[in-house]
Amino acid sequence: DADVTQTPRNRITKTGKRIMLECSQTKGHDRMYWYRQDPGLGLRLIYYSFDVKDINKGEISDGYSVSRQAQAKFSLSLESAIPNQTALYFCATSEPRDGYGYTFGSGTRLTVV
Amino acid sequence: AQSVTQLGSHVSVSEGALVLLRCNYSSSVPPYLFWYVQYPNQGLQLLLKYTTGATLVKGINGFEAEFKKSETSFHLTKPSAHMSDAAEYFCAVTGGGGNNRLAFGKGNQVVVIP
Repeated sequence: DADVTQTPRNRITKTGKRIMLECSQTKGHDRMYWYRQDPGLGLRLIYYSFDVKDINKGEISDGYSVSRQAQAKFSLSLESAIPNQTALYFCATSEPRDGYGYTFGSGTRLTVV
Repeated sequence: AQSVTQLGSHVSVSEGALVLLRCNYSSSVPPYLFWYVQYPNQGLQLLLKYTTGATLVKGINGFEAEFKKSETSFHLTKPSAHMSDAAEYFCAVTGGGGNNRLAFGKGNQVVVIP
């Protein structure tokens, strides 16, 4: 099994729908992150969490919310999806003892029509 | 805050030629630096990282990078390109310490020409 698992892998949804992207990890890391990737823009941070009780906004949090249900689970929600949220979404984990390197999931490709 | 600049969104290299991807960073604290590779339809995989110590770091698949503080650079190289090196490459920086959010560059799409 992968260290960081994202579900679903692909999703097409309609404008205005609420959608949740899920992330679970077996690394035992406290720190988890959600990024979105757009062509030519690299990865941009949406939200991050340093432990179960800690949630922080990243650089592009508008239109998104998150839930840290447990150390191993970190979900990203789009409350009312819009077409410019079409992107590739990545969940990642990290831990200081790993030199702060991130472990990424395989990504969720979301299309909003 | 930390930031990364990667110039040239698309880089073409001939098979067997040197691969050189440039990364310049900005950081108000001693940086930790990373290179990630993304193959088509896959997630990001760590190529190599610099945290402390030796400034020339070696990674997987024959890649290496050198941290040059005076130039605020962390360029990625590979002596001889292989077809399998075709991918997107991202440089990233964090300030380490208690707040290790990674800031990514915009990436370099590498095309290897036979």
